Amino acid sequence: LAKTTQPISMDSYEGQEVNITCSHNNIATNDYITWYQQFPSQGPRFIIQGYKTKVTNEVASLFIPADRKSSTLSLPRVSLSDTAVYYCLVGDTSGGSYIPTFGRGTSLIVHP
Amino acid sequence: KAGVTQTPRYLIKTRGQQVTLSCSPISGHRSVSWYQQTPGQGLQFLFEYFSETQRNKGNFPGRFSGRQFSNSRSEMNVSTLELGDSALYLCASSLTGTMNTEAFFGQGTRLTVV
Repeated sequence: LAKTTQPISMDSYEGQEVNITCSHNNIATNDYITWYQQFPSQGPRFIIQGYKTKVTNEVASLFIPADRKSSTLSLPRVSLSDTAVYYCLVGDTSGGSYIPTFGRGTSLIVHP
Repeated sequence: KAGVTQTPRYLIKTRGQQVTLSCSPISGHRSVSWYQQTPGQGLQFLFEYFSETQRNKGNFPGRFSGRQFSNSRSEMNVSTLELGDSALYLCASSLTGTMNTEAFFGQGTRLTVV
């Protein structure tokens, strides 16, 4: 059964780098790891997706070790506007179909 | 291009009633998925429709159902509402499906059951 575990909350300060780790011990062989950001009263917004090693886009990096049992979302130089909840997503294929399974989310608060 | 549109944004219903929520996906997207978000359970997958067919279904009772029309618009129905159905219901659209693709979420419908 796919299950993801991530810290409930994190605090940081403007300009710092923030790393949020998600564990997903039972990730399926062909599944990617996806991260979303959610602000209050809005739907989640895609940040980044990867399968292995490192992926980087204009807003974040995603580090995935060789065993793929965890992943780390890295946000460089955060600002106040990065205060949000961050979710990792993998799929649960234990029942024969693909069930997208979100973690419980990490509430990031960025302080001035 | 226009994003995912969900209507209505807010809804108040009484226990025992039924409710229908609507989702218009991004133009060209054939997959529509529905999620329930609550403080207690977090974001949980309800079901996915692709080209008018339900492709995947989460672990929810049969009171929760959905459908998709030929223009990819989707509706979700909850019958015999319970207090515990109070939640934010989110719809997401994508080009090919829920697996390994970027999903675009709407702002959700906030359902309150009293």
